[in-house]
Amino acid sequence: GQQVMQIPQYQHVQEGEDFTTYCNSSTTLSNIQWYKQRPGGHPVFLIQLVKSGEVKKQKRLTFQFGEAKKNSSLHITATQTTDVGTYFCAGLWGYQKVTFGTGTKLQVIP
Amino acid sequence: GAGVSQTPSNKVTEKGKYVELRCDPISGHTALYWYRQSLGQGPEFLIYFQGTGAADDSGLPNDRFFAVRPEGSVSTLKIQRTERGDSAVYLCASSPGLASYTDTQYFGPGTRLTVL
Repeated sequence: GQQVMQIPQYQHVQEGEDFTTYCNSSTTLSNIQWYKQRPGGHPVFLIQLVKSGEVKKQKRLTFQFGEAKKNSSLHITATQTTDVGTYFCAGLWGYQKVTFGTGTKLQVIP
Repeated sequence: GAGVSQTPSNKVTEKGKYVELRCDPISGHTALYWYRQSLGQGPEFLIYFQGTGAADDSGLPNDRFFAVRPEGSVSTLKIQRTERGDSAVYLCASSPGLASYTDTQYFGPGTRLTVL
């Protein structure tokens, strides 16, 4: 079946440092979504990317979709303790079901 | 406006028993999804409803799992003859249903199922 690989699995950063998580698919995606899950919480939708090479920003968060639509990244500038959680990408291929990556767990050290 | 609600929040059962998990979506959302999330993993798709019908049940792992949504609102996930491997958090999500999977999905708090 379709899979999305996500790296790194864990990341510890000092507060104020930047953070990036990467998502890769072996086949071309139609869309990619990003979610955040706080410890003990449920996934919360952040954004969806559709176009090749698309870049979207939400305050300190920058989302990119690769030119080939096979990879994506989420970059957080100057992390804060409120950024703690697990970040998931979720790939879509046409009108098929969403497939979540394994997530990157972010710890921010104050 | 209330979000997606799920009951119970926790369910402990014995191997071989039958369980039902309930999801109450956001009012007016026609699309409803069930996922299963094991520790340290991303949510795994189980089934997607559009209205009353299951539009995609390809994620149900076997015939012990069944889900219904008889009136196009509340959904129940039913698991027969539970096994220890069924232990996980079962998440429900709903969306307006305008564009199937590409709609924003709103997740509920989940039901943590433990099979002893």
